[in-house]
Amino acid sequence: AQKVTQAQTEISVVEKEDVTLDCVYETRDTTYYLFWYKQPPSGELVFLIRRNSFDEQNEISGRYSWNFQKSTSSFNFTITASQVVDSAVYFCALSEAQGAQKLVFGQGTRLTINP
Amino acid sequence: ETGVTQSPTHLIKTRGQQVTLRCSSQSGHNTVSWYQQALGQGPQFIFQYYREEENGRGNFPPRFSGLQFPNYSSELNVNALELDDSALYLCASSFGGRRNSPLHFGNGTRLTVT
Repeated sequence: AQKVTQAQTEISVVEKEDVTLDCVYETRDTTYYLFWYKQPPSGELVFLIRRNSFDEQNEISGRYSWNFQKSTSSFNFTITASQVVDSAVYFCALSEAQGAQKLVFGQGTRLTINP
Repeated sequence: ETGVTQSPTHLIKTRGQQVTLRCSSQSGHNTVSWYQQALGQGPQFIFQYYREEENGRGNFPPRFSGLQFPNYSSELNVNALELDDSALYLCASSFGGRRNSPLHFGNGTRLTVT
């Protein structure tokens, strides 16, 4: 069975600090997909990134970066120079390669950026 | 490009009643998925529809049912509502139902069962 664990329930930092959100996953599949979504107070889940299991290259997009390490089953998300607008709940999710397109989400990390 | 829209935004029902939630998929998308998000939890997969057929279901009882229409819009029906059904219901659309396709979510319907 698949499982995604986000051990950090809440994180609070001061604006301009760097912050890393942790994500650990479990799956028996050799091919799978990992995602990060952002959920602002409006409720809509906003897609941030997708990573394929066979591509361990880290990715940077502006202030956002992702570190995928298959050896430790982790897919961590770092925000550099955080801003108040980054405040939201962030979810890590896993989709296996077989069967329906089903995302298994972690419990989420509530990130608060204080001015 | 029109995003995923859901209606209604909020709904209050009484235990035992039935409810229908609606979703219009993003233009160009032919696959719709429904998720239930309890307060403080991550979303949980209910089911997915592709070309008007259910092609995957999570661990939800049969009183949760759905439909997908030829225009790819969708409905989620819940019968015999229970208090634990109170949650945010999220609809998501994608193209082709591919496992690696990002899902595009709507703002959700907040259902309260009293």
